[in-house]
Order: sequence, then C-alpha cells, then structure tokens
Amino acid sequence: DAMVIQNPRYQVTQFGKPVTLSCSQTLNHNVMYWYQQKSSQAPKLLFHYYDKDFNNEADTPDNFQSRRPNTSFCFLDIRSPGLGDAAMYLCATSREWQGGTDTQYFGPGTRLTVL
Amino acid sequence: TQLLEQSPQFLSIQEGENLTVYCNSSSVFSSLQWYRQEPGEGPVLLVTVVTGGEVKKLKRLTFQFGDARKDSSLHITAAQTGDTGLYLCAGGQWGNAGNMLTFGGGTRLMVKP
Repeated sequence: DAMVIQNPRYQVTQFGKPVTLSCSQTLNHNVMYWYQQKSSQAPKLLFHYYDKDFNNEADTPDNFQSRRPNTSFCFLDIRSPGLGDAAMYLCATSREWQGGTDTQYFGPGTRLTVL
Repeated sequence: TQLLEQSPQFLSIQEGENLTVYCNSSSVFSSLQWYRQEPGEGPVLLVTVVTGGEVKKLKRLTFQFGDARKDSSLHITAAQTGDTGLYLCAGGQWGNAGNMLTFGGGTRLMVKP
C-alpha cells in the first residue's frame, strides 16, 4: 500500500550527539513536512519541502536541519540534541493541487529520547 | 496568524454516550481535516471536508464544515472504548509553498466501559 514510512520508530541519543531521522513515501507527493509533537500537544511544523524548495518556519531552531535528496526521501538532522528536543517527530506529505488544497498524510512518527 | 480553537480539551464518557467536539476559528480555511491519533503513533486521517455546509459520515462519526468554512464539528454516536484517543482538527490553506495546516489543540477522549 502507498504510505509514509518513518525510520527508526524509536531513537535514543545522547545529549549533543547528532541524530538523523528518516522519512520515505510511496505516494509520489511533491510536498513533504516535518513536525515536532510533544506530549499532549498538537504537532508543530518545523519546515517543509515544496519539491526541492526548502521552507523553514521562523521559530525553528538552527539546530534542526533537513535534506531531501529526491522526491521519495526526506531527512531530519538534529545537530546537537538537547533534553528539550525529546519528542515525537512526524513526517507528512501532500500533493500539489493547482488552486486548491489537499490532505496531509502522516507517517507513524519517530519517538526521540535524549539521555 | 491563524488560530483554531478546539474544545473540549479533555472528555471522559461512558461507553454508549454521544459526544461532540468543536473546532472554531475567525479565519476561513480551504479545507478542514480531522485526525485521530493513538499514543506512540502518527495522526491518522479520518476525513477531509472542503465545501461550506458539507456533512460527511464515517460509520458512527459525523463531520460538519460550517457554512462560512470557519468552524467544524465531529459528533460520535454511541461511543465505544475503541474510540479512545486524541482527536485533532486541522485547517488547510494552500499557499505558494504548499498546503499548510493550522492544528487545533486536540481533544483527548477517553471512553470507559
């Protein structure tokens, strides 16, 4: 089935040790998003790619970076994780729709623990 | 800044009861999406409504988009324990950089047997 896949599902890292989270999609959607979700809160958009164009949210810390080497894959790099970065990280995709909107489809998430 | 207020934040009911969750905004959205999220999982899409006044039904769930496309409601009839979870509404706007969602704060529903 077409879907959004995130690896790993659970990631444990040490304070300050770089970590990379992965997202892939078989939907052939041209827009991909990364969200951070902390406990009992709504997802918070970090940044997104519209094709190869990177769009950063104004309040996303510089510690967070992203790469999209091709349509199917997108990576979230956390350069120096702090304790406050422990959260669920969600990847989502949506389809370009001329003059309209389209649904975002979410992956299962990666739960990041920072020790 | 677009805001989407979701209420109630928490809801604990007995199995078999009915409930309604509301999402309200002063902004107009192109679409309104409802998601259900279980602990440790990503949000799963329940429905997308795009037309003002639109009503969609998914078994015991009824979704309505306000005429002015500023508000929406989710009504669950005869709740079951399996309905327990976090319900998120999200308003969509298509811009030059893609489809952007504004999330409500979520409603955490617990259905007790």
